[in-house]
This record gives sequence, C-alpha cells and structure tokens, in this order.
Amino acid sequence: DTGVSQDPRHKITKRGQNVTFRCDPISEHNRLYWYRQTLGQGPEFLTYFQNEAQLEKSRLLSDRFSAERPKGSFSTLEIQRTEQGDSAMYLCASSLNAGEKLFFGSGTQLSVL
Amino acid sequence: DAKTTQPTSMDCAEGRAANLPCNHSTISGNEYVYWYRQIHSQGPQYIIHGLKNNETNEMASLIITEDRKSSTLILPHATLRDTAVYYCIVRVVGETSGSRLTFGEGTQLTVNP
Repeated sequence: DTGVSQDPRHKITKRGQNVTFRCDPISEHNRLYWYRQTLGQGPEFLTYFQNEAQLEKSRLLSDRFSAERPKGSFSTLEIQRTEQGDSAMYLCASSLNAGEKLFFGSGTQLSVL
Repeated sequence: DAKTTQPTSMDCAEGRAANLPCNHSTISGNEYVYWYRQIHSQGPQYIIHGLKNNETNEMASLIITEDRKSSTLILPHATLRDTAVYYCIVRVVGETSGSRLTFGEGTQLTVNP
C-alpha cells in the first residue's frame, strides 16, 4: 500500500493555459474522488468515479474541467483556459468500495498568474 | 447529508487530552459520524467513525450522545504532531448511498508545548 499519489505537487501557470493533473489511487481501490480546496476552507467535492465510470459531478465542475479514469486505474483532471479563480489545492482520494473510508493524496497546488 | 457545527479553533497542552466537540442535530438514523484531520500541506486523514456506539481505535475515541445530536472526538494524549484541522462529517453509508464527504470548515486544534 503506497498510498494515493498525485503529480505534480505544485503547478504554476498563466491565465488561459491548460493544465492536467494526475492521480494514482491505491491499488484495487474502485472509487476515485476529486476535491478542490481553497485557503481556509474545507475540501469541496468535484467528482467521483466507480472504476472507469464517472458517476457524479458537482456543479462546481464547470465546462472547462474534465476528468477521466481510463481503464479504472489512474485518473486525470484537466482544466482548460485557466482562470485566477482556479487557484487552489486539488485533492484526489480513493476508497475500496462505496461507503468505505477515503484515503487522500497530498494534493496538487495550482497557482494561476 | 446533515450539517455539522464545530468550534473554529481550540488549544490543548501537550500530553493532555484534547476533546473536540461537534453538533449534528439534524442527523438521520442512517448517517454515520466521521472524523478526518488535515495537517498543514497534506491531504485529509481518516481518524474514526461511528453510528451510535462509542468507538475507539489507535488514534482516538469517539463519543456519540444517546440522541446522536452531538459527538466528541477525544485524543487521549495530544502531541505536537496532532496540531491540525479536524473535520466532523456525517455521511450515509451503503452501496446505494452517495459517496461524497461534505467537509465544513473544521476545528483548528493547536497543541502547545
């Protein structure tokens, strides 16, 4: 059990650029979640996958955001045409099955200049 | 999921017990109480959860009142490494239930030497 891995840890980009983050869940975990966290706030749910199927998306996930989990293993979160308001910590978590406890990665800190 | 109310911040002396309260007066019969914590610059970490009975594990104890409208997380011998934001979350658990964790702003616990 190597834990949930996220890459990169930090990303600085200019407004209007596209960025992509990667999350590697704990092996054999069927569920994968994405959260976003701004300074001083708790994490906010964005979306989750059951294997390769994306089962729920928050209204926070605008059209500029897209997440994939091909083959039900790692996941990517892409933000197109980044805006300064996208600056946040993006957290990934996984769980073995529905209702199980979530294991979080250390997150990707995005700064949009 | 039911809403929770926690104090914004608390202090505790190293070696003493830290008692973190949480109100969840609108909790439903099928909702569990979960506690996670987040140390600075890391993802949230699961601590403990329970339905109606008190629970204890290697990290903490969870005391849930008989009416289930409030709970207390107890760290029996707080150390400096327990300094973190502690989140109390209520969540329906089950295959057909929603999978998200809804975080509030949590309690910033500071353990002082």
